[in-house]
Amino acid sequence: GDSVTQMEGPVTLSEEAFLTINCTYTATGYPSLFWYVQYPGEGLQLLLKATKADDKGSNKGFEATYRKETTSFHLEKGSVQVSDSAVYFCALSDLRDPGSGGSNYKLTFGKGTLLTVNP
Amino acid sequence: ETGVTQTPRHLVMGMTNKKSLKCEQHLGHNAMYWYKQSAKKPLELMFVYNFKEQTENNSVPSRFSPECPNSSHLFLHLHTLQPEDSALYLCASSQGRQGGQPQHFGDGTRLSIL
Repeated sequence: GDSVTQMEGPVTLSEEAFLTINCTYTATGYPSLFWYVQYPGEGLQLLLKATKADDKGSNKGFEATYRKETTSFHLEKGSVQVSDSAVYFCALSDLRDPGSGGSNYKLTFGKGTLLTVNP
Repeated sequence: ETGVTQTPRHLVMGMTNKKSLKCEQHLGHNAMYWYKQSAKKPLELMFVYNFKEQTENNSVPSRFSPECPNSSHLFLHLHTLQPEDSALYLCASSQGRQGGQPQHFGDGTRLSIL
């Protein structure tokens, strides 16, 4: 079945440091890929997405490129801020057709990576 | 404003109580989901509803009973829970029919079982 593997962390960086959080996936088809962020006390928020190979998703200075040849979707940011401290989840979508009522899309999540940025 | 609202935000209950979690989405989505997030464990998908029909139940114990009266509302009825059920319960919704559509999450209900 589908799976997502991301670096476990925790990751601790100083402000303005470069960030990479690795994510690799296993899927039978051509999934869409996502990065979600969870700030303390909140739910998950979509950070960025990519729907096909070589697409680059970007938002708030974060970027990730859908690499089919390496089945990867690594998250990067050139200069992190204290406000980026959160848990980051890599995820892929799996098209499931229940056969009635149309299709829905199940998300497979990685275990999450805790990022702490110190001033 | 996330578009997905969960109530209550916090809930403390005894093992013999009955309570319900509520989720409401204002995004016009047709699929809704319940997840369980426990400390140091991956996010667990519990139930999926598509156009009010349950399409997935991931071997969730019967002490959790979902209800989806319409595409905008989702409930999780709780009865005779165990201490290991203490967790953050997250609701999400998505468009469903279109490829590559993400799920939108509420802020969750933090549940503590005494």
